[in-house]
Amino acid sequence: KAGVTQTPRYLIKTRGQQVTLSCSPISGHRSVSWYQQTPGQGLQFLFEYFSETQRNKGNFPGRFSGRQFSNSRSEMNVSTLELGDSALYLCASSSKISGTDYEKLFFGSGTQLSVL
Amino acid sequence: AQSVSQHNHHVILSEAASLELGCNYSYGGTVNLFWYVQYPGQHLQLLLKYFSGDPLVKGIKGFEAEFIKSKFSFNLRKPSVQWSDTAEYFCAVNALDTGRRALTFGSGTRLQVQP
Repeated sequence: KAGVTQTPRYLIKTRGQQVTLSCSPISGHRSVSWYQQTPGQGLQFLFEYFSETQRNKGNFPGRFSGRQFSNSRSEMNVSTLELGDSALYLCASSSKISGTDYEKLFFGSGTQLSVL
Repeated sequence: AQSVSQHNHHVILSEAASLELGCNYSYGGTVNLFWYVQYPGQHLQLLLKYFSGDPLVKGIKGFEAEFIKSKFSFNLRKPSVQWSDTAEYFCAVNALDTGRRALTFGSGTRLQVQP
């Protein structure tokens, strides 16, 4: 079974631009979560999608948005990029939406975003 | 809101030494607790988890963790580390009764095992 796939692996953008990151979950997984990882802040929850609906959202500004498609693939968009948005963006999928197995997340390798 | 503290940011050990990484969380309700590991160049993967029952949980590769509710702690242990344990370790908590499905991670502990 293929793992969680994130594309692209690396991105370089300039301030003010916008960026879209893609995540394909493990086949059969319907829940997709996004996390931002930085050396100073560690991993911070961005949002979670299930069945094309955003179910939870972290404490990030509205410049960060996402969506999920009917095939469970998800995209994350960041508009008006700032230097502080430079980070590794991780996508994680899960097979269950309720009960204790939800939290067993399978992570992708991430997209490393650099904002210049 | 819940938070997770990992007080050791960088730990250096020799092979065969014993390991204990501290993890404390701040949340008074029911929690699920996790340790994730990120080996160099690899993605995050689950090491072990606590949901309920026996507070001493065993994970992969000889790791174990003990949930001490009165101390809000979930420390990770391994009796004898190997060079291949060099990685970054993250403690995480999910607060079950917030109605919010999201893991709160600690800032991570970088473990370096010297041969």
